[in-house]
Amino acid sequence: SQQGEEDPQALSIQEGENATMNCSYKTSINNLQWYRQNSGRGLVHLILIRSNEREKHSGRLRVTLDTSKKSSSLLITASRAADTASYFCATASVNRDDKIIFGKGTRLHILP
Amino acid sequence: GAGVSQSPRYKVAKRGQDVALRCDPISGHVSLFWYQQALGQGPEFLTYFQNEAQLDKSGLPSDRFFAERPEGSVSTLKIQRTQQEDSAVYLCASSPDRGYGYTFGSGTRLTVV
Repeated sequence: SQQGEEDPQALSIQEGENATMNCSYKTSINNLQWYRQNSGRGLVHLILIRSNEREKHSGRLRVTLDTSKKSSSLLITASRAADTASYFCATASVNRDDKIIFGKGTRLHILP
Repeated sequence: GAGVSQSPRYKVAKRGQDVALRCDPISGHVSLFWYQQALGQGPEFLTYFQNEAQLDKSGLPSDRFFAERPEGSVSTLKIQRTQQEDSAVYLCASSPDRGYGYTFGSGTRLTVV
């Protein structure tokens, strides 16, 4: 079963533009994580945001968390061709923070 | 090691054959996870170990699936009498403990013919 739902399912933008992906989830969480997956490869951990945090930055990445709306967003600024990948949110529920459940992902394509 | 290592990278099995997939986690990582990923989908949780203890196997799809981590480091996922629906990428991940991000291996792509 999947906890998170990413939106949109697919996104194509021009290189240099900002990309925003959203994630909604159902149950109360301990933390929420974003991962990137290039075609045919393993997942790479991007950012972990805890339930008591509202915003976190890492380089060109900005993640926000709104626990009242049970949603998160991932913003990639000044996109590059190398950002083309699938992006997944994953949540650790407050009752079971020892495992994370993934959504179906957003496929991001950066156009040259 | 520097990362999570999985072997083999690719496996083709005839239907009915048994397979064993290996995961070498990052040294010292307490938590180890197995996920199954079908094409175009997100990873689905299979099972979780804390050291050698298998604390959650609720995601294993059938009793043909078995996982172990006898010494709290290397783990093996075994699938008996493989079926076509078992074809997927099997991902292993480890983390230092609860509440940390995971480091994933590159996965084993299993194709059952």
